[in-house]
Amino acid sequence: NAGVTQTPKFQVLKTGQSMTLQCAQDMNHNSMYWYRQDPGMGLRLIYYSASEGTTDKGEVPNGYNVSRLNKREFSLRLESAAPSQTSVYFCASSEDNEETQYFGPGTRLLVL
Amino acid sequence: QQQVKQSPQSLIVQKGGISIINCAYENTAFDYFPWYQQFPGKGPALLIAIRPDVSEKKEGRFTISFNKSAKQFSLHIMDSQPGDSATYFCAASKMDSGYALNFGKGTSLLVTP
Repeated sequence: NAGVTQTPKFQVLKTGQSMTLQCAQDMNHNSMYWYRQDPGMGLRLIYYSASEGTTDKGEVPNGYNVSRLNKREFSLRLESAAPSQTSVYFCASSEDNEETQYFGPGTRLLVL
Repeated sequence: QQQVKQSPQSLIVQKGGISIINCAYENTAFDYFPWYQQFPGKGPALLIAIRPDVSEKKEGRFTISFNKSAKQFSLHIMDSQPGDSATYFCAASKMDSGYALNFGKGTSLLVTP
């Protein structure tokens, strides 16, 4: 039981490049979330998916798109990376009507 | 805008002392208030959580105190240990937004031997 896994662990991009951050969970959870963590800012919600086939914007969705590929996987795409998107990205999941969120180990993204 | 305000930003406590971290919120629709603990290079992990119908919850050395009328809640770590040195985040969420978490900015706790 791996919990929540994220790939890659670390990535360097040039401004304007695109990439997809992958997240998968093996806990059969319905809800999945993407957060970004910046120094002194805490974690901020980018998008979430309450169930397969649904997605909703969070506090900081601009510049990102998401896909809930199936119940296990929730990907985050940067179409044209900007230096302001340099951050640590965390994926999380939770059970239906269960508030506890389980976080992955994070993806560290540097945009030059 | 930050929906949950957290203080202090950093805290140094001696081993055996009490660590206290405070949070305040504005949105009265929030109905779940967790605290997460994060070690360097790791994702946050749930430490303890409370609902607004309860004024206090204790789990081992960790206690949440909740003041609904003041819209404030706090984490108390009794008998603080060096292994408690981490960053602590308070958060608030509500069911109608899928319990997506609104985090405070975090408190970096250092417990000295």
